[in-house]
Amino acid sequence: QKEVEQNSGPLSVPEGAIASLNCTYSDRVSQSFFWYRQYSGKSPELIMSIYSNGDKEDGRFTAQLNKASQYVSLLIRDSQPSDSATYLCAVMGNTGKLIFGQGTTLQVKP
Amino acid sequence: DGGITQSPKYLFRKEGQNVTLSCEQNLNHDAMYWYRQDPGQGLRLIYYSQIVNDFQKGDIAEGYSVSREKKESFPLTVTSAQKNPTAFYLCASSSTGGSPLHFGNGTRLTVT
Repeated sequence: QKEVEQNSGPLSVPEGAIASLNCTYSDRVSQSFFWYRQYSGKSPELIMSIYSNGDKEDGRFTAQLNKASQYVSLLIRDSQPSDSATYLCAVMGNTGKLIFGQGTTLQVKP
Repeated sequence: DGGITQSPKYLFRKEGQNVTLSCEQNLNHDAMYWYRQDPGQGLRLIYYSQIVNDFQKGDIAEGYSVSREKKESFPLTVTSAQKNPTAFYLCASSSTGGSPLHFGNGTRLTVT
């Protein structure tokens, strides 16, 4: 079992729709959870961080964390073609290691 | 401006040669990290350092070496023992344990 798992996609949504990206992790003592966006050929950029159960909203983005189910998700409302990218879920345990999932490719079609 | 600088952006080497990738940060971050990314893959952790003069192996440390003599610098050496060195290498830093990582622009290494 991989430490952090994501569906590689591609996930295709029409412009204006809600995109839902999911991630599961195996280490129960994980403390910090992050979503990064990576455009082709570029380095990852931080979109959201979440540390406690529940929802965290920032503009069009909402991160959801459920530690009991070891599940973290990212919702993107009103998806735009510029949101087309690979979204990386990352999980940090208490050792300081940040482990990434393989990423989900999102395609937003105009 | 504060940030993380990786150099060079592109690097070409012949098989059997060691090569060192530079990573410098002026964010005053304690922790620094090296990741490798292959096409269509996520990031895999090579080494990380949470304090000067100390570092830990990540998941794929074989064939790589690092040093952390200064807080600002965390160079990565890709040795000839690394079987498949061609990849996109990313350096990152963070302020404290649990804080998000900030990435440099990456170095694309091609070994032929």
